[in-house]
Formats: sequence, structure tokens, C-alpha cells
Amino acid sequence: DGGITQSPKYLFRKEGQNVTLSCEQNLNHDAMYWYRQDPGQGLRLIYYSQIVNDFQKGDIAEGYSVSREKKESFPLTVTSAQKNPTAFYLCASTTMGGIGYGYTFGSGTRLTVV
Amino acid sequence: GESVGLHLPTLSVQEGDNSIINCAYSNSASDYFIWYKQESGKGPQFIIDIRSNMDKRQGQRVTVLLNKTVKHLSLQIAATQPGDSAVYFCAEGYNQGGKLIFGQGTELSVKP
Repeated sequence: DGGITQSPKYLFRKEGQNVTLSCEQNLNHDAMYWYRQDPGQGLRLIYYSQIVNDFQKGDIAEGYSVSREKKESFPLTVTSAQKNPTAFYLCASTTMGGIGYGYTFGSGTRLTVV
Repeated sequence: GESVGLHLPTLSVQEGDNSIINCAYSNSASDYFIWYKQESGKGPQFIIDIRSNMDKRQGQRVTVLLNKTVKHLSLQIAATQPGDSAVYFCAEGYNQGGKLIFGQGTELSVKP
């Protein structure tokens, strides 16, 4: 089945550590996105990529980094510079230039600082 | 626009009643609108979409209404069930393949 997979589902980070969240899609989608969601709140865009080897900052990119070396993969690294990383992270993908361009979302990674 | 630290508005309905969830969108140039449902601990799921050349679209138990004059979008859920309890997000897009802008979200609670 085609879809978008995020891993791990739960992740614990110690203070000062970098951690990487995985996002893989087999939908042949061109664009991929990372969102952060805090409890009881909406989605905030961290980074997005519309083509391999290119990505743009979203609204809250500080303390995060990404790469897009393959069309299928868009990993997010939460660096030690992100002072409040505890949140639910969502990855999404979409095709470009299609009839409809709604996003397909992964099931999320819940990151907790311990 | 993007949610920036506000807590979600909530809507509480009785099982079997109809629900109406509202959304004000920000860009008059937006030409595509989507409603997503997000259950606790899961990623958002597509419910229904509508293009700006339409003012109404129906799905199974759901209807989306678009009023471009006042930049307003609504989602109507008929005969609301406990399984409909979730957070509902609207989203707008203004060019093909461009970024979607998500609304704040509304939490729907269905009482049995």
C-alpha cells in the first residue's frame, strides 16, 4: 500500500542531544513538509521541500534542520538549539501540479525531552 | 493563518445531532480548500475538499460550504456519531502544489 511512514512513533531526547525523525513516502510525491503540533493547538510549519536537494524554512525553523537527498525521504533533525522540542511532529507529502493537492499525513512522532 | 499558541475552540454536540464547524480563511486568492479530521495521537486525515468555483460539495454525511464573499468555510456533519469526536482543521491553498495554510482547528466532542 502506498503511504507515508514516520518513525519512531515515540522518541525521548536528553538535554543537549540531537535527534532525527524519519519520514518516508512511496506515493511518488514531489513535495514534503514537516509540522510541529503542541497540545491543543494547530499545525506550525517547520520546513518544506518541493524538489530533491532543495528545501525552504517554514515559520518555526530555528533549532531544526532537514535534508532531501532522495525524493522518498525527508528526515528532520531536532538540534540542541531547539529549546522546547517536546511536541508532536507530523510529516506530510503532496504531488505538484495535480488536480487536487491535499496533503497526505504520516501518523506522527511524539518527541519528549527527559 | 497558522496557529500561534491559541487553544482550540471546542464544539460539543449530542449524538445524532448535526454539527457545523466554521473556518475563516485568510487569502482571497485561495482556490482550493480542504477539511481534515485528526483523532488523538494520530495524523490528520482528509475528509472533503472544494474548489473556489463551487459553493457546496457533499460527501458521505459531510457537506462543505464555501462563501467567498466573506472568506468563510464550513463543515457540516449529519447525524454526528461518537466516532466523529476529533479535531477538525480547515486548510486553504492558492496555487497548485503550493503550501497549504492550516486554520486553528476546532475540537468536536460528541456526547452519547
